[in-house]
Amino acid sequence: DAMVIQNPRYQVTQFGKPVTLSCSQTLNHNVMYWYQQKSSQAPKLLFHYYDKDFNNEADTPDNFQSRRPNTSFCFLDIRSPGLGDAAMYLCATSSTSLSGSYSYEQYFGPGTRLTVT
Amino acid sequence: AQSVTQPDIHITVSEGASLELRCNYSYGATPYLFWYVQSPGQGLQLLLKYFSGDTLVQGIKGFEAEFKRSQSSFNLRKPSVHWSDAAEYFCAYSGGGADGLTFGKGTHLIIQP
Repeated sequence: DAMVIQNPRYQVTQFGKPVTLSCSQTLNHNVMYWYQQKSSQAPKLLFHYYDKDFNNEADTPDNFQSRRPNTSFCFLDIRSPGLGDAAMYLCATSSTSLSGSYSYEQYFGPGTRLTVT
Repeated sequence: AQSVTQPDIHITVSEGASLELRCNYSYGATPYLFWYVQSPGQGLQLLLKYFSGDTLVQGIKGFEAEFKRSQSSFNLRKPSVHWSDAAEYFCAYSGGGADGLTFGKGTHLIIQP
């Protein structure tokens, strides 16, 4: 089945130690998103890639970066994790049609739960 | 800025009873609205969506939602809940394009025997 895959499912990192979270998709969708979801809160959009174009949300801290080397993969890099960055990180994808219109529907991966010690 | 409000943080329903989860949005143009469900420690699963057309939309797992423009609402309903429906439910909004979803704060559904 086509899907969105996130690795690892659980990640523990030390305060200040860089960490990378991975997302891959077999849906061949051209838009990929990263959301942060803190405990008992709603998901919050960090940034997204529309094809190779990177779009950062205005309030996303500089500590968060992203890379998309190809259509299938997208990475979330946290350069210096703080205790406040402990959260579930969700990757999602969506697709534009050949005419450039969006489906608006987003498909989510299972998430990576990040713990900062 | 657009916002999504889910006024009920927790709802408890008896198994077999009907369910309605409330969602209100704040935006002037035609919204694109979604309901997602999240089980503990899991990602989000799409239940249903509204883009245009028929204001009563059917989703998976027996859920439906009705879009009411006059009330800026998109409430989720199910005629008879099952214990497996216990989860967190998020209403979400998109204004179009690839700008991502704006989520409500979620409603935690508890099913009692």
